[in-house]
Amino acid sequence: GQQVMQIPQYQHVQEGEDFTTYCNSSTTLSNIQWYKQRPGGHPVFLIQLVKSGEVKKQKRLTFQFGEAKKNSSLHITATQTTDVGTYFCAGLRAGGTSYGKLTFGQGTILTVHP
Amino acid sequence: EAQVTQNPRYLITVTGKKLTVTCSQNMNHEYMSWYRQDPGLGLRQIYYSMNVEVTDKGDVPEGYKVSRKEKRNFPLILESPSPNQTSLYFCASSLRGGEGPRDNEQFFGPGTRLTVL
Repeated sequence: GQQVMQIPQYQHVQEGEDFTTYCNSSTTLSNIQWYKQRPGGHPVFLIQLVKSGEVKKQKRLTFQFGEAKKNSSLHITATQTTDVGTYFCAGLRAGGTSYGKLTFGQGTILTVHP
Repeated sequence: EAQVTQNPRYLITVTGKKLTVTCSQNMNHEYMSWYRQDPGLGLRQIYYSMNVEVTDKGDVPEGYKVSRKEKRNFPLILESPSPNQTSLYFCASSLRGGEGPRDNEQFFGPGTRLTVL
């Protein structure tokens, strides 16, 4: 079945440093979504990427979808303590009869030291 | 307030005792889904529903049942819970379709922490 691998599993940074998490899918994706989960909370949607090579920005966050639609990344510039949490990617498989079957990566736990 | 609610929030039960976790959304969303979250494994989809009376298996459906008799409700049923179903469960809902950056946004419930002894 479809697998979505996300690295790194953990990332510790000093406040002000940059942070990147990467997702790689074993199959071509229709789209990819990114979520953030604060400690003790529930996942909160950040963005959806659909087009090959797409790049989207939300303030200090930059999201990228690969040309082959099999990988994606989330980059945070100048991290702040409010960025602490787990970041998940979630891929929707392209084609087939499994539209609606969403596969999440394992998540990257970000710790920001003040 | 637009939201997804789950009940109960916490549950401790014993092996084999049937239980139901309810999920309800007030946003008229077509799509609903159940996930379990375990350390190091991220979120794994159990079942999803594209609309009323339409359900399909996710990646880890074994030991679970769902039903979608009404658009707003999507209960998760554990007919005979076992200790390996101890986990944090999330229900989510979304509108369907679209290629915009916020299309298919899933709204998650607060989670249900289940312990099976």
